[in-house]
Amino acid sequence: GQNIDQPTEMTATEGAIVQINCTYQTSGFNGLFWYQQHAGEAPTFLSYNVLDGLEEKGRFSSFLSRSKGYSYLLLKELQMKDSASYLCAVRDWGTGFQKLVFGTGTRLLVSP
Amino acid sequence: ETGVTQSPTHLIKTRGQQVTLRCSSQSGHNTVSWYQQALGQGPQFIFQYYREEENGRGNFPPRFSGLQFPNYSSELNVNALELDDSALYLCASSRGQGGGYEQYFGPGTRLTVT
Repeated sequence: GQNIDQPTEMTATEGAIVQINCTYQTSGFNGLFWYQQHAGEAPTFLSYNVLDGLEEKGRFSSFLSRSKGYSYLLLKELQMKDSASYLCAVRDWGTGFQKLVFGTGTRLLVSP
Repeated sequence: ETGVTQSPTHLIKTRGQQVTLRCSSQSGHNTVSWYQQALGQGPQFIFQYYREEENGRGNFPPRFSGLQFPNYSSELNVNALELDDSALYLCASSRGQGGGYEQYFGPGTRLTVT
């Protein structure tokens, strides 16, 4: 089966750095995605990792360790607009197709 | 914005009724996946369509069904609505069988079942 764990909620201060962790167990791993979702809106793509290591994209970085089943999303220079839910999703091979399996999301609250 | 559109935006239905939700995929994308997102949860995979055929299905009962049209737009149909079907329904389009590199999500349809 598949299992994805991430913290339910985190708080941080504007300008700070926050790391959101995600651990996963899946039978057919084929990449890990991070999405940002503001309340009532659709998820928007932030990052994608398929090989071990760090991917950097502006203020956002994502890290993957396939052997540990672990990823994190790092957000630097936090801004108020970064208050949102952050979804970790694993692309998993089913029986002949790929699907995204999502965690429950981490709700990040950025305060002044 | 991703270029994926969904209609309607909001919908209120009564238990036992049937509903049809619609999704237009981004230009050049031939795969559509549907997800159900309950409040406070992550999206749950319902099924996926590739070139008008159901390509894969999650753990949803048969009263959840779908279609994909030649222009790759898609419909999600839910029969015999239950209260627990109240959720945000998201469609995501991508290129290639199996979902491709990245899925682009539409804005969602908020379904409330009373």
